[in-house]
Amino acid sequence: DVQLQESGPGLVKPSQSLSLTCTVTGYSITSDYAWNWIRQFPGNKLEWMGYISYSGSTSYNPSLKSRISITRDTSKNQFFLQLNSVTTEDTATYYCARGAGTWFAYWGQGTLVTVSA
Amino acid sequence: DIQMTQSPASLSASVGETVTITCRASENIYSYLAWYQQKQGKSPQLLVYNAKTLAEGVPSRFSGSGSGTQFSLKINSLQPEDFGSYYCQHHYGTPLTFGAGTKLELK
Repeated sequence: DVQLQESGPGLVKPSQSLSLTCTVTGYSITSDYAWNWIRQFPGNKLEWMGYISYSGSTSYNPSLKSRISITRDTSKNQFFLQLNSVTTEDTATYYCARGAGTWFAYWGQGTLVTVSA
Repeated sequence: DIQMTQSPASLSASVGETVTITCRASENIYSYLAWYQQKQGKSPQLLVYNAKTLAEGVPSRFSGSGSGTQFSLKINSLQPEDFGSYYCQHHYGTPLTFGAGTKLELK
């Protein structure tokens, strides 16, 4: 069965970079699908951030385009999120998810990242 | 960006009742709509995609309908495990966007 697991620091200082890892088991990220990052703010609003496809192409939400990068390590079956120049507005629970036709059938459990000095 | 507007924001219902949640898109998204259920402290779970296709393992008391800009999720004969929050999401191109959610509470 496909499983996704987020990991990374739970606290990031303003102006620094947020870096998260999504480790995928049960399916190769190079076989198919798009591998996404989605975040949920306090108050529960959900925001799609972007994806890296099985072929390595990327697509980002234009609202984040200048700050976001999604990369991968195929040898470890992991993909990564980097979000630069964070502010307190980036405090959220971050999810990785597998997309098929751009709906999300598999999600990680989520990791809370707080941006605070 | 396509805006997704859900209603109601919250809903109280009893076990056994039938409820309907609606979602309106700011432009035509054909049938490219998904619905998710989220329980407190958990990740969202896919219920429906392509407006009316039930995801694997989803009980048949859930049904999705609609096309264009107006969509609905109907839950027949509510069960205790159905209480939580529900979100719609369009999947008609990027950026993908979600509705603000509907919180379904036990009356």
